[in-house]
Amino acid sequence: SQQGEEDPQALSIQEGENATMNCSYKTSINNLQWYRQNSGRGLVHLILIRSNEREKHSGRLRVTLDTSKKSSSLLITASRAADTASYFCATFPNTGRRALTFGSGTRLQVQP
Amino acid sequence: DADVTQTPRNRITKTGKRIMLECSQTKGHDRMYWYRQDPGLGLRLIYYSFDVKDINKGEISDGYSVSRQAQAKFSLSLESAIPNQTALYFCATSGLAGALYNEQFFGPGTRLTVL
Repeated sequence: SQQGEEDPQALSIQEGENATMNCSYKTSINNLQWYRQNSGRGLVHLILIRSNEREKHSGRLRVTLDTSKKSSSLLITASRAADTASYFCATFPNTGRRALTFGSGTRLQVQP
Repeated sequence: DADVTQTPRNRITKTGKRIMLECSQTKGHDRMYWYRQDPGLGLRLIYYSFDVKDINKGEISDGYSVSRQAQAKFSLSLESAIPNQTALYFCATSGLAGALYNEQFFGPGTRLTVL
């Protein structure tokens, strides 16, 4: 099974609303990252949060990390139609395979 | 020019054929990765390489092989393609751990269809 699981699988909102996506993972991590993918294209890195951080901001993005619950959330504020994409969390472990493990993603649709 | 390029972008082939997907990068990164993406399953790691002499299997390496010809080039081969290898394939790169915290940069993808 995937290390990271996103919730919800799909989300539809109106422009101007906030969008919140959640990610749960299973093992101890070094960091957690969020990526965006426009349909059929390569992923683009959005933000990275380290295991000793609890919250991070970048523009309209806010990421939180709760290592005790092994969960993270991505908040996009004041959404725009151009935010329509799939969003993936990815975890980098403390031990074992030194590579990211991706979740199955949340498909966000922002209606104009 | 794109930092991470993949060729071909689209390929249709038949069962049993040998296929090579190529990836080149101009970012000067040491680490390169191959992933496949199936609908609803996110990305799964096939192989990764930390330098030209360091190749590692990922989650789903069976049926695939790789070659790291140079720091900038990392190829993925399907020795005998089968229909369930139909997927979107991505190459990615990253810099050294500690310097860039393993942020990855992705190529545009190769859409492979095996008939």
